[in-house]
Amino acid sequence: GAVVSQHPSWVICKSGTSVKIECRSLDFQATTMFWYRQFPKQSLMLMATSNEGSKATYEQGVEKDKFLINHASLTLSTLTVTSAHPEDSSFYICSARDRSVRNEQFFGPGTRLTVL
Amino acid sequence: DQQVKQNSPSLSVQEGRISILNCDYTNSMFDYFLWYKKYPAEGPTFLISISSIKDKNEDGRFTVFLNKSAKHLSLHIVPSQPGDSAVYFCAARGRFFGNEKLTFGTGTRLTIIP
Repeated sequence: GAVVSQHPSWVICKSGTSVKIECRSLDFQATTMFWYRQFPKQSLMLMATSNEGSKATYEQGVEKDKFLINHASLTLSTLTVTSAHPEDSSFYICSARDRSVRNEQFFGPGTRLTVL
Repeated sequence: DQQVKQNSPSLSVQEGRISILNCDYTNSMFDYFLWYKKYPAEGPTFLISISSIKDKNEDGRFTVFLNKSAKHLSLHIVPSQPGDSAVYFCAARGRFFGNEKLTFGTGTRLTIIP
């Protein structure tokens, strides 16, 4: 149980285009999902917290107009990187909180974004 | 400001021996700590956690120790196995964060030598 999937697993796009990443909780309902970014050899940095049916809460320094988050259902959250630039190239990881399992977060496999 | 720190970026341990990974934190409001294991190009996998009301938690080969006065925690793996080779992150959270967001350390790459 407690499986979280992400799609796509990797994506290459041209500078200026937008990319959408999906995060799904496959066997549980997640009222809260989190989006992280990890640059090479660095820690996972929380970008935003996504609550189902409400606006996401962004961490300081994260542009909400650039990283659009939608959490339309209890099993799906999406992150859209708008007008992507090479500096947005990173590993994006989502996690979902399962209230029935001691409020633990379960992580997706991540999405490698490369912007040319 | 790195509130959770793992000062050793890498560690090599002989198979069968004990692996000890360390983590320090600065925010005294953290009250729950977790260790995650991560392989390249994959998401972190939860290993073990400890609440601030305890000083030790054990699960099979994994034991986490918490020293609140020193704001230090450690993960012990014994005996170490080749499959334990991965990057290990410690993470912390506090009730005051509301939605229980995690703050991660910088990670320690553990290599088990056969």
